[in-house]
Amino acid sequence: AQSVAQPEDQVNVAEGNPLTVKCTYSVSGNPYLFWYVQYPNRGLQFLLKYITGDNLVKGSYGFEAEFNKSQTSFHLKKPSALVSDSALYFCAVRDEGGSYIPTFGRGTSLIVHP
Amino acid sequence: KAGVTQTPRYLIKTRGQQVTLSCSPISGHRSVSWYQQTPGQGLQFLFEYFSETQRNKGNFPGRFSGRQFSNSRSEMNVSTLELGDSALYLCASSLVDREREAQYFGPGTRLLVL
Repeated sequence: AQSVAQPEDQVNVAEGNPLTVKCTYSVSGNPYLFWYVQYPNRGLQFLLKYITGDNLVKGSYGFEAEFNKSQTSFHLKKPSALVSDSALYFCAVRDEGGSYIPTFGRGTSLIVHP
Repeated sequence: KAGVTQTPRYLIKTRGQQVTLSCSPISGHRSVSWYQQTPGQGLQFLFEYFSETQRNKGNFPGRFSGRQFSNSRSEMNVSTLELGDSALYLCASSLVDREREAQYFGPGTRLLVL
């Protein structure tokens, strides 16, 4: 079985400061990990994914995520937050060789204050 | 390349009615998945189609059904609507049905059941 947890419902950060949105996962095999962002009244937009290789993955809009196998985490990061980054962020996981169906976290609302 | 399109964007129905939602995937994408998003339950997987065949199904009652056409366009039908069916219904497409592929979401259809 696969599962994913986003322990924070909301993250607040000042514009210009670094941001981190946390995600931990559980799979029986190797994980495929994804981050998506959802702006108000919009669908989810793909940000980045980890399949294999380098633990630091770079994605759209200056976001990156660090895969940590020992801690089963895949935290989303950005060095300098923008007000326009304010949105709902979802982490998702699939198990290699498992079901095609991804499991999504409950989402974390990121609020960037001017 | 045009993104995933969903029609209609908004719907208001009454209990007992039925509704059909439409999704056109990104050109060349053969896999189409449907999700229900609500504030309480988050993102829940409904079903996934690949080459006109339902490959995976989530834990939803039989009132929820779907199909995929030869051009990969997909429709979702909900019969005998209940108040709890009010939600944002998201369609997502991907190139192939591999677990390492990211999904690309449409803007969603917001359904309100009165």
